[in-house]
Amino acid sequence: NAGVTQTPKFQVLKTGQSMTLQCAQDMNHEYMSWYRQDPGMGLRLIHYSVGAGITDQGEVPNGYNVSRSTTEDFPLRLLSAAPSQTSVYFCASSSTTGAGGANVLTFGAGSRLTVL
Amino acid sequence: AQSVTQLGSHVSVSEGALVLLRCNYSSSVPPYLFWYVQYPNQGLQLLLKYTSAATLVKGINGFEAEFKKSETSFHLTKPSAHMSDAAEYFCAVSMDTGRRALTFGSGTRLQVQP
Repeated sequence: NAGVTQTPKFQVLKTGQSMTLQCAQDMNHEYMSWYRQDPGMGLRLIHYSVGAGITDQGEVPNGYNVSRSTTEDFPLRLLSAAPSQTSVYFCASSSTTGAGGANVLTFGAGSRLTVL
Repeated sequence: AQSVTQLGSHVSVSEGALVLLRCNYSSSVPPYLFWYVQYPNQGLQLLLKYTSAATLVKGINGFEAEFKKSETSFHLTKPSAHMSDAAEYFCAVSMDTGRRALTFGSGTRLQVQP
């Protein structure tokens, strides 16, 4: 089925370890983004990309890196994990046709990360 | 800056009762407004969206929302709750900017009692 695929679904890290959360979409969407979900805080934008080779920061970018070498993939890297990065991470994509603010995001199923 | 406030982190209704989930927004320009639903251990999926075409917006699964500019509200309603409606609901606002980012409310968890 077409959609957004995130891996892994679950991950436990120790403080200081690094890892990459993978995100892939097969809908040819130009726009991709990463959100984190924390209890009582809704979802907050970490980084986003409007096309291959173009990335920018969102609301909470510190501690995370991204790159966009292809249209399909948008990995999120944690260089040195901290307990404050314990969260559920969602990747989302949309097309960029029409009015930008009205485009509907398609979300992946999420990646639950625990940092000890 | 834009923001979204969802009143009530938990709402409990009986099966067959009216569902009302409240959302108020602040935005310096006319916004785009969305309601998303999240079922346990799943990603978010769109219920409905407002893009200025009509103030009453109908979505999936019998939900609808009314945009009221004077009250800066976009409350979600459903006339008769079903057990399958139990989930977390998020209101979100977006402006037509290059970031295409959504600002989400903190969410409302809906419980449906038999």
